[in-house]
Amino acid sequence: DAKTTQPPSMDCAEGRAANLPCNHSTISGNEYVYWYRQIHSQGPQYIIHGLKNNETNEMASLIITEDRKSSTLILPHATLRDTAVYYCIATQGGSEKLVFGKGTKLTVNP
Amino acid sequence: DADVTQTPRNRITKTGKRIMLECSQTKGHDRMYWYRQDPGLGLRLIYYSFDVKDINKGEISDGYSVSRQAQAKFSLSLESAIPNQTALYFCATSEPSAGGFYGYTFGSGTRLTVV
Repeated sequence: DAKTTQPPSMDCAEGRAANLPCNHSTISGNEYVYWYRQIHSQGPQYIIHGLKNNETNEMASLIITEDRKSSTLILPHATLRDTAVYYCIATQGGSEKLVFGKGTKLTVNP
Repeated sequence: DADVTQTPRNRITKTGKRIMLECSQTKGHDRMYWYRQDPGLGLRLIYYSFDVKDINKGEISDGYSVSRQAQAKFSLSLESAIPNQTALYFCATSEPSAGGFYGYTFGSGTRLTVV
């Protein structure tokens, strides 16, 4: 699995877009980028994943740079309920397991 | 009912006691996992199983054992609990897709305190 680097914490105003960066400069060609989040000691929740192209679903958008060395998770209109720890994981397709780092603690402020 | 159910939700036990944490799932997934989380840290993998006959150690398996009784059930045992096993424990399931893993489903966790 490629090593990922995330800022330990970020703040965002409610209603604004939250942009969470992730660096994965050693990512290999067959490694996907996954994002999960964990809300206050609950089980982690899958958000989105991507390989090369930008992806969007009902929860978020994922922007992957052309060289694939970094990505950004975008929550377009953050709410207080989006306050959580966000984990960026780079791992091969077909990987046996997910390896979690420390993630980014996002605090959405009113 | 939750897709992945963990019991108990909270448990306090004494040092040296044997304790079992249970996990059951209704997802129909073959793959199941046990993770541990300590305050301020990410999740660390204890054991994982790809089917009833397949058990694999994760990064921190010492002091733990598991049993995959059926596709839907995966139990974690602490043979002789010690205080540094006090943590939040999560069970998870997953199903591989054509492109790779995604959509892990986690249980709500078991908070274990060893005194």
